[in-house]
Amino acid sequence: DIQMTQSPSSLSASVGARVTITCRASQGISNLLAWYQQKPGKGPKLLIYAASTLQSGIPSRFSGSGSGTDFTLTISSLQPEDVATYYCQNYYTAPLTFGGGTKVEIK
Amino acid sequence: EVQVMESGGGLVQPGGSLRLSCAASGFTVTNNYMSWVRQAPGKGLEWVSVFYSGGNTYYADSVKGRFTLSRDNSKNTLYLQMNSLRAEDTAVYYCARTPEFCSGGSCYMYYGMDVWGQGTSVTVSS
Repeated sequence: DIQMTQSPSSLSASVGARVTITCRASQGISNLLAWYQQKPGKGPKLLIYAASTLQSGIPSRFSGSGSGTDFTLTISSLQPEDVATYYCQNYYTAPLTFGGGTKVEIK
Repeated sequence: EVQVMESGGGLVQPGGSLRLSCAASGFTVTNNYMSWVRQAPGKGLEWVSVFYSGGNTYYADSVKGRFTLSRDNSKNTLYLQMNSLRAEDTAVYYCARTPEFCSGGSCYMYYGMDVWGQGTSVTVSS
């Protein structure tokens, strides 16, 4: 099974800061990786698929990169509404494993 | 509107059974990959199972042999039969769609889980 390791597990940054979250797969998954945002009490929301394609309606301050085993989610200018937990997910092959999550807070 | 709606959660004793339903509208479940994802209280997301558009099903090791997927094409609904429930199955269960992408004669997941329900809560406790 493919394991997904996210880092950091939490971070605190100022409004307007650039934020980077990394996700590493235990084996190559091509570009079949998604990023989700989950706000407290809500279901997950797809931000990025195929490692770097922005889902429709998602602000352009979110971007993704990577291929193979190493992936990155970047928020170019952190906004108060971005407070949430972010998850990566492998969908290259079942089991469709999620990373452990990164909780993002405002400093 | 494209959406899914889960139902069937509740309180059940250890060893008991529940059947969750995921009713889809605005799209056809048979042309998409349909997954269940759960989230235990205060924990992260855990993938549970997926029903491939072609009919194959896959399960997390934690539920294999206890949970079974099925779908009713006439009702456009996905089901998760959960047997031999344990305390560690306590979670909010989400249903999610991944659109099918076909190219060169092959179909696979490409888009990620783009439609999620509001979740249904399952509590396993005596």
